[in-house]
Amino acid sequence: NAGVTQTPKFRVLKTGQSMTLLCAQDMNHEYMYWYRQDPGMGLRLIHYSVGEGTTAKGEVPDGYNVSRLKKQNFLLGLESAAPSQTSVYFCASSPGAPSYNEQFFGPGTRLTVL
Amino acid sequence: DQQVKQNSPSLSVQEGRISILNCDYTNSMFDYFLWYKKYPAEGPTFLISISSIKDKNEDGRFTVFLNKSAKHLSLHIVPSQPGDSAVYFCAVLNNNAGNMLTFGGGTRLMVKP
Repeated sequence: NAGVTQTPKFRVLKTGQSMTLLCAQDMNHEYMYWYRQDPGMGLRLIHYSVGEGTTAKGEVPDGYNVSRLKKQNFLLGLESAAPSQTSVYFCASSPGAPSYNEQFFGPGTRLTVL
Repeated sequence: DQQVKQNSPSLSVQEGRISILNCDYTNSMFDYFLWYKKYPAEGPTFLISISSIKDKNEDGRFTVFLNKSAKHLSLHIVPSQPGDSAVYFCAVLNNNAGNMLTFGGGTRLMVKP
């Protein structure tokens, strides 16, 4: 049981390049989330999904797109990377049951945009 | 405008003493309040939570207090241990929005031996 895994762990991009971050969970969780963490800002929600085939915007969605084609995977895409997207990205998942509120996080992806 | 604030970016405590981490929030409609712990190069891990209908929840050395009238949350760690050194984030949950969590900026706790 690997929990939540993220690929890749590190990446350096040039401005304007595109990339996709992959999140996978093996806990059969309904809900999945993408956050970014910047110094002093805590974690901010980019997009989330409450089930396979669904996505919704979070607090800071601009410049990102997501897809949830399979229940266990949640992809985060950057179509044209900008230096402001330099950050550490965390994926999380949750059972989504009303009485269960904990989110389980992956180890993070450190992205640098030059 | 930040809905969740942790006003102390860092805290240093001697081993064996009490650590108190504070968090303030603005919206009285939040349903759950959580604390996460984060070590460098790792993802956050859940520590303890409290429902909006309670004012205290205890789990071993960790106790969370909720003061709804003051919109204030605190985490007490007693006794503090060097392994507790990490960044602590408070978070609030909105059950009406996909169980979205809103995080504070974090407090770095350093427990000195």
